[in-house]
Amino acid sequence: AQSVTQPDIHITVSEGASLELRCNYSYGATPYLFWYVQSPGQGLQLLLKYFSGDTLVQGIKGFEAEFKRSQSSFNLRKPSVHWSDAAEYFCAVVSSGTGNQFYFGTGTSLTVIP
Amino acid sequence: DTGVSQNPRHKITKRGQNVTFRCDPISEHNRLYWYRQTLGQGPEFLTYFQNEAQLEKSRLLSDRFSAERPKGSFSTLEIQRTEQGDSAMYLCASSERGGSYNEQFFGPGTRLTVL
Repeated sequence: AQSVTQPDIHITVSEGASLELRCNYSYGATPYLFWYVQSPGQGLQLLLKYFSGDTLVQGIKGFEAEFKRSQSSFNLRKPSVHWSDAAEYFCAVVSSGTGNQFYFGTGTSLTVIP
Repeated sequence: DTGVSQNPRHKITKRGQNVTFRCDPISEHNRLYWYRQTLGQGPEFLTYFQNEAQLEKSRLLSDRFSAERPKGSFSTLEIQRTEQGDSAMYLCASSERGGSYNEQFFGPGTRLTVL
């Protein structure tokens, strides 16, 4: 069965510092992986996705993620965090069933300090 | 606004009451999904529709829950005899049909509080 683990419940970084959010997945085949961001009162917004090909994917808002099959990981990175990046971040994998529903991790809450 | 919309945004109800939520997907999106998100957790899949057909339901969807998409456009999620454990954010998402994957677009959610 598919599953996603986000080991860090909460992360605090200083504005301008680099960021890495961890995501590990469990999946029997090549996974389709996603990162979403959720701000208070807002819906989930897609940051980036990985289907195949280049293992380093670029997303919106300056985010990128690297797929590492050997580590079953899909970590999200940003070289310089802005205060507006404070939000909840979710990693997700798409099911192999016909519905293509998402399986989400428990999320990582990001706090940005001045 | 051509995004996914959900109504109401907030609902407070007493235990035992019935509630109904509505989701309007992006027009011409054939697939519609419902997820539930509790505090400190990621969204969990409840059910999905392909046009008007409900094709899959999660074990999370107890008999008190029913979802419909009668004309293949908007969808409703009804919870009967609400319990305090039903308190959560209910998210709707839609996607186009076809291919091994289609990006899902999420609505802002309906936050349910059961007193």
